[in-house]
Amino acid sequence: DAKTTQPPSMDCAEGRAANLPCNHSTISGNEYVYWYRQIHSQGPQYIIHGLKNNETNEMASLIITEDRKSSTLILPHATLRDTAVYYCIVPPPNNAGNMLTFGGGTRLMVKP
Amino acid sequence: DGGITQSPKYLFRKEGQNVTLSCEQNLNHDAMYWYRQDPGQGLRLIYYSQIVNDFQKGDIAEGYSVSREKKESFPLTVTSAQKNPTAFYLCASSMGQFGRTQYFGPGTRLLVL
Repeated sequence: DAKTTQPPSMDCAEGRAANLPCNHSTISGNEYVYWYRQIHSQGPQYIIHGLKNNETNEMASLIITEDRKSSTLILPHATLRDTAVYYCIVPPPNNAGNMLTFGGGTRLMVKP
Repeated sequence: DGGITQSPKYLFRKEGQNVTLSCEQNLNHDAMYWYRQDPGQGLRLIYYSQIVNDFQKGDIAEGYSVSREKKESFPLTVTSAQKNPTAFYLCASSMGQFGRTQYFGPGTRLLVL
């Protein structure tokens, strides 16, 4: 697996954009970057994924650097309900089993 | 209403007892997974199944068993051989063999009495 590094915690003011960084400097050319989040005492929730180009959906935007060694998940207008642990994952392309390795993630606290 | 359901939400186990956690999905997904999460930690894969009547061990399969007799169901049994079963158990499913967009259930919290 390509190793990912995320800050352990971040704060964000409600209504402001939350920018969550992830380093994945050992990523290979055909490995995607996935983002999940886990609200306290709930199951993880898929957010978004990408390979090279920036991606956007109804939940968030994903910005991947040109060299693909890092990415940023953007929640454009954070709400209190976005308080959660956010996981950046780079699964190996052809590993059927242990394909999602959830590490420590970033604990995002959205404050009023 | 499509999704994954897990039951019960809380489960208590006595010493030496086997308990079974239920996981059902109506998403028509081929693959299903069981993860364990300890407090403040990430998820660890216990077992996964890519197709009916087939399953594979994950990283921490010792003390657990599974079955996959139906596409929509993937129950997990925590046996008495699992000496530290207290944890949050999460079931997930995905389309296809290498589906990385996994959909998770609400989880079952297992406590030992």
